[in-house]
Amino acid sequence: GESVGLHLPTLSVQEGDNSIINCAYSNSASDYFIWYKQESGKGPQFIIDIRSNMDKRQGQRVTVLLNKTVKHLSLQIAATQPGDSAVYFCAENNQGGKLIFGQGTELSVKP
Amino acid sequence: DAGVIQSPRHEVTEMGQEVTLRCKPISGHNSLFWYRQTMMRGLELLIYFNNNVPIDDSGMPEDRFSAKMPNASFSTLKIQPSEPRDSAVYFCASSWAGGADQPQHFGDGTRLSIL
Repeated sequence: GESVGLHLPTLSVQEGDNSIINCAYSNSASDYFIWYKQESGKGPQFIIDIRSNMDKRQGQRVTVLLNKTVKHLSLQIAATQPGDSAVYFCAENNQGGKLIFGQGTELSVKP
Repeated sequence: DAGVIQSPRHEVTEMGQEVTLRCKPISGHNSLFWYRQTMMRGLELLIYFNNNVPIDDSGMPEDRFSAKMPNASFSTLKIQPSEPRDSAVYFCASSWAGGADQPQHFGDGTRLSIL
């Protein structure tokens, strides 16, 4: 029979371009947010985090932006490379010690 | 530094059999989490421990699932009896709960297939 699964949003970018992956979170009381990268056959890998008292945080080639007013989180990847191809998840800490994960966005980088 | 170590990486077994998944958290981490990932439901938290004590097991699907953490460096997730709908990738993650807001670090998972 036909299998039904999550249809991940997909973002396709050209190598060298900048990528922006968006995430809407659910709980206005969440105070800590994380971006993970998951490659095929591997576990989610921590990329960058941000606390709710910040609007922006930068890492190496990555920037996370937090807009608490509209409960929106974004991950910007500069000069996207083929090795950046993966599924990216945002996660929020709901203050109960648990992370709530989004459904993920699949990033495909074209050489 | 060694990350979270899970074993086995792959497990194929027949329904009705007992399955035991193992996890060694990162040394010094005092919180441990078990997740299940499927195409249908994404990444789901099953249970988590702080200082070897189960804190929240509300995500454990049924009594067939049980988890233990006998010491700070080892945890098991057991399914008995296993069913085909248990087929998924099971991840273990650990973090340090001693400070405010620490990221969880994941192992590479166990891909479980129940025939």
